[in-house]
Amino acid sequence: DSGVTQTPKHLITATGQRVTLRCSPRSGDLSVYWYQQSLDQGLQFLIQYYNGEERAKGNILERFSAQQFPDLHSELNLSSLELGDSALYFCASSVGISGVETQYFGPGTRLLVL
Amino acid sequence: DQQVKQNSPSLSVQEGRISILNCDYTNSMFDYFLWYKKYPAEGPTFLISISSIKDKNEDGRFTVFLNKSAKHLSLHIVPSQPGDSAVYFCAASALGGSNYKLTFGKGTLLTVNP
Repeated sequence: DSGVTQTPKHLITATGQRVTLRCSPRSGDLSVYWYQQSLDQGLQFLIQYYNGEERAKGNILERFSAQQFPDLHSELNLSSLELGDSALYFCASSVGISGVETQYFGPGTRLLVL
Repeated sequence: DQQVKQNSPSLSVQEGRISILNCDYTNSMFDYFLWYKKYPAEGPTFLISISSIKDKNEDGRFTVFLNKSAKHLSLHIVPSQPGDSAVYFCAASALGGSNYKLTFGKGTLLTVNP
């Protein structure tokens, strides 16, 4: 158990819909990262937050957005969903932003868009 | 453009033998490299890392070798055990950059046969 929790574990929805994925980092971790893993892709970095502020952006679509709240949990919002958004979405956390800190991953949310 | 490549989607070895997983990268700014292991239905788990100032890092049965001139790293597992069967992801980051996002390869499925 990494200490990172993600809800829900599974999500099935229809095209055009909007969903919210939730992540609670390990106790004491200030950084939260979101990754997407599609069938034919490795883990793709989406976005990072540190202590409530956006720190880095990766291959995140404009239809996607995220935020980190004062209690440090984070939410990833996916809107106008398309079939290609079906993937595993992982959240990870680390203590800070030094770059050499280990990122601890949650179990992921499996999203299926029908 | 895939900056971190794991060209072998799968590898099968016998218990007790050596497992060698390979990873190539193209971005010369990468200076910190990590290996993550992932079991089904779980998030990736950090295994071992290496900084570009080293060419080898060892942790128990796991050793990572870095060849900067060839932009190549490898993970050696000796001796391999059935519990090592998992997907192994290679990841890289550029510590000197403005952010520390990890760039992952697509993973190699290792199967260790009893």
